[in-house]
Amino acid sequence: ETGVTQTPRHLVMGMTNKKSLKCEQHLGHNAMYWYKQSAKKPLELMFVYNFKEQTENNSVPSRFSPECPNSSHLFLHLHTLQPEDSALYLCASSQGSASGGMVETQYFGPGTRLLVL
Amino acid sequence: AQSVTQLGSHVSVSEGALVLLRCNYSSSVPPYLFWYVQYPNQGLQLLLKYTTGATLVKGINGFEAEFKKSETSFHLTKPSAHMSDAAEYFCAVSNQAGTALIFGKGTTLSVSS
Repeated sequence: ETGVTQTPRHLVMGMTNKKSLKCEQHLGHNAMYWYKQSAKKPLELMFVYNFKEQTENNSVPSRFSPECPNSSHLFLHLHTLQPEDSALYLCASSQGSASGGMVETQYFGPGTRLLVL
Repeated sequence: AQSVTQLGSHVSVSEGALVLLRCNYSSSVPPYLFWYVQYPNQGLQLLLKYTTGATLVKGINGFEAEFKKSETSFHLTKPSAHMSDAAEYFCAVSNQAGTALIFGKGTTLSVSS
């Protein structure tokens, strides 16, 4: 497996369910990202992890909970979501930097299409 | 704060015609600028990026972009469109801290034969 993979690719859940999205990168990177892509809106950065430490939380509601157990894996735990949370959730990775500045190429996974009923 | 504006949510061209996708940005620091492409049911793929140096940047699939500081623009061009170029294109700028990217709303490119 190469690049950035995401599972599942599609997910339908009720508002009372708990589910998790998984992202795995096989690029040896140290930074990982969660984005939300909704129709007719720009990609919204949700969370950033650099060397397993969360460095950005872009005012995301607490019903979204990220977890980064190591530099290769990133999870997004979902609970009590709302219909407006339906979107494509994209994971990305980049080289990362111990000093924090890490504007480099981000490599994206194919995304998880989430529908909240 | 950094921001990106992509003019035109939808651009249609004929096969073989010039492709021009517009991107303007605002940034309080020297920007790093990116163009990404997204094909249906796929993630984003980097087309090209500008960090420093030469202002005309060449990318994959025959695309190029020119950084114009005076115009705060980073427009994407391709001399001759191909059917396979039909996709959504996103312009992005680095945030002030240099820790993440801020994306525009995207432009859908349609190519007709």
